[in-house]
Amino acid sequence: TQLLEQSPQFLSIQEGENLTVYCNSSSVFSSLQWYRQEPGEGPVLLVTVVTGGEVKKLKRLTFQFGDARKDSSLHITAAQTGDTGLYLCAGRYTGGFKTIFGAGTRLFVKA
Amino acid sequence: DSGVTQTPKHLITATGQRVTLRCSPRSGDLSVYWYQQSLDQGLQFLIQYYNGEERAKGNILERFSAQQFPDLHSELNLSSLELGDSALYFCASSPGTSGIIETQYFGPGTRLLVL
Repeated sequence: TQLLEQSPQFLSIQEGENLTVYCNSSSVFSSLQWYRQEPGEGPVLLVTVVTGGEVKKLKRLTFQFGDARKDSSLHITAAQTGDTGLYLCAGRYTGGFKTIFGAGTRLFVKA
Repeated sequence: DSGVTQTPKHLITATGQRVTLRCSPRSGDLSVYWYQQSLDQGLQFLIQYYNGEERAKGNILERFSAQQFPDLHSELNLSSLELGDSALYFCASSPGTSGIIETQYFGPGTRLLVL
């Protein structure tokens, strides 16, 4: 069974703090995505990474794809209350069409 | 607004019943995906269609079936419903023409409650 493990499951922080969430697998991804989901809505894509070691920045969000393409991290600098939501990583394994989602990290940023 | 529509938005039914969830993809998208999201299971991939044909299958129960029609809309049929089938069901679509992972555009979901 191909699994994507995300950690931590829950995170509650104060506005202005930094945080990092992780996505790990024992298998190699051909590509990986991060989505953000707000309550009552569907997930929305934040970023796609395809190259081992790749780093992408989206304003205060920094995404890193591991050199071996088995893991990824999302770092948020100076979190804001608007960052509150469920952060999901999704990966596609080499040779397949199936996209596997992790269980997500639920982030709550307090004012 | 993602451009993906799902109906109905809410559905309440009883155990043993059968329901049909409907999805219209974004204009031009050929691939449709179905997911189940419950509190303790996260987002579970059920099935993917591309231009009317099944492309990938996930953890879809035998009591569930889906299809994609020539106009590219899709339906997910859930039968012999059990309490544990209560969840949010999402449909997503993507162009389907790229060999690498594509952006999936998610609909607003159908919230199913089985009593």
